Amino acid sequence: KQEVTQIPAALSVPEGENLVLNCSFTDSAIYNLQWFRQDPGKGLTSLLLIQSSQREQTSGRLNASLDKSSGRSTLYIAASQPGDSATYLCAVRPPDTGGFKTIFGAGTRLFVKA
Amino acid sequence: NAGVMQNPRHLVRRRGQEARLRCSPMKGHSHVYWYRQLPEEGLKFMVYLQKENIIDESGMPKERFSAEFPKEGPSILRIQQVVRGDSAAYFCASSPTGGFPGANVLTFGAGSRLTVL
Repeated sequence: KQEVTQIPAALSVPEGENLVLNCSFTDSAIYNLQWFRQDPGKGLTSLLLIQSSQREQTSGRLNASLDKSSGRSTLYIAASQPGDSATYLCAVRPPDTGGFKTIFGAGTRLFVKA
Repeated sequence: NAGVMQNPRHLVRRRGQEARLRCSPMKGHSHVYWYRQLPEEGLKFMVYLQKENIIDESGMPKERFSAEFPKEGPSILRIQQVVRGDSAAYFCASSPTGGFPGANVLTFGAGSRLTVL
């Protein structure tokens, strides 16, 4: 059974710091891995999608890597800003039943202090 | 493109009442997914639908919960005889028509927050 774990559960950093959020999954058989951002009381915003054949994706100050064999992904945020404060969710799509059943981690709550 | 639209955004019900949550997928999307987020927990898959078909409902509670996605109109998640434990945020997502569902990006709505008194 696929399980997704995110470490740390919460993180507080000063503005300008580079930081890494970690995601691990128990079954390396996945179609893709997606990082989302969730603001309090709001929906999810897709940040990056990494297909199983890819190693990383970049968007602006964000870089996500994927190591399927070890069941790990990292989200790197460069030069963090207060506006980055949110919960970051990692989600994988396993191949059983057609790959539509996305499995989410519980998230990392990030607070960037001005 | 208005994105995935969910309504109502907030819904308050008393125990025993019915809750109906609606989701209109993005234009061009025919795959709809419902997820539930309990307080302080991650999102849990509930059901996957295509137009007029329930593809997988393995995450739905066996009783009181049902979902549909009719030929016309939004997808509806219906909760009958609500209890306090149903209080949660219910998120709808959609993905593009065609291609392989496993490879497609999920686009989420803003969620509907149900509070049961």
